[in-house]
Amino acid sequence: TQLLEQSPQFLSIQEGENLTVYCNSSSVFSSLQWYRQEPGEGPVLLVTVVTGGEVKKLKRLTFQFGDARKDSSLHITAAQPGDTGLYLCAGVYNNDMRFGAGTRLTVKP
Amino acid sequence: EPEVTQTPSHQVTQMGQEVILRCVPISNHLYFYWYRQILGQKVEFLVSFYNNEISEKSEIFDDQFSVERPDGSNFTLKIRSTKLEDSAMYFCASSEQGTGNSPLHFGNGTRLTVT
Repeated sequence: TQLLEQSPQFLSIQEGENLTVYCNSSSVFSSLQWYRQEPGEGPVLLVTVVTGGEVKKLKRLTFQFGDARKDSSLHITAAQPGDTGLYLCAGVYNNDMRFGAGTRLTVKP
Repeated sequence: EPEVTQTPSHQVTQMGQEVILRCVPISNHLYFYWYRQILGQKVEFLVSFYNNEISEKSEIFDDQFSVERPDGSNFTLKIRSTKLEDSAMYFCASSEQGTGNSPLHFGNGTRLTVT
C-alpha cells in the first residue's frame, strides 16, 4: 500500500497570510496530483506534477514535486477566504491513484 | 464543459439490501473509477475499469462489490447485502488516458446511508 501523509491535518489562518501544506510518502510515484474538494462535491484537479524537482504555479498557488518523487508541497501566497477547502494530494503508482487524508484549510477574512 | 454525473445524489437503504449507484462518465473517456469517502475520512480507491474489465481493485473491493458498464454511457457500482459501514460518499471518476497520463474528473458523488 502506498501511504500518503498530509500535514497539517487542519490549518486556520487570516486572509493575506502565506501557507505551505505537505504531502509525504515512502513510495516513489510516477506522478502526483493535487485536488481541492468543497463540501458535498467531488475533488477537482488543481495540478499534476510528473518530474522530480518540478515546480508549477497556478496564480497564487505554487506546487513542487520532490527530487525523489516521494513528496510534494503546496504553497499559497496571500491566502483569501475563497481558498478555504480540503486540499488532497494523490499519488499515481502503476496506473493506480491513492489519496492522502487531506489538509482542511480555513482562511478567515 | 463536460462533466461526470452521478445518480442518485442520496440513497438510503436498509442493512442487507442491494444498491446500485449509477454514473455517466465523460463521453470520450476510456478509464473509469469508483472511490469512496467515509464521513470525515480520506478518499479511498475502490476500483478502476478499462476496456470492459477491472484493471485494478483495492482490498476494500471484495465480493460484495461489482462494477458494470451495461451500455455505452453508464458505469455502475453494485453493493450487495449492504452493511452499516458501507455508509459513505461514493465518487465516480473518469479519465481520457488513465491516471498516469491524464487527470481524473470526479462526479459530485452519491451519499449512501445504510440504516
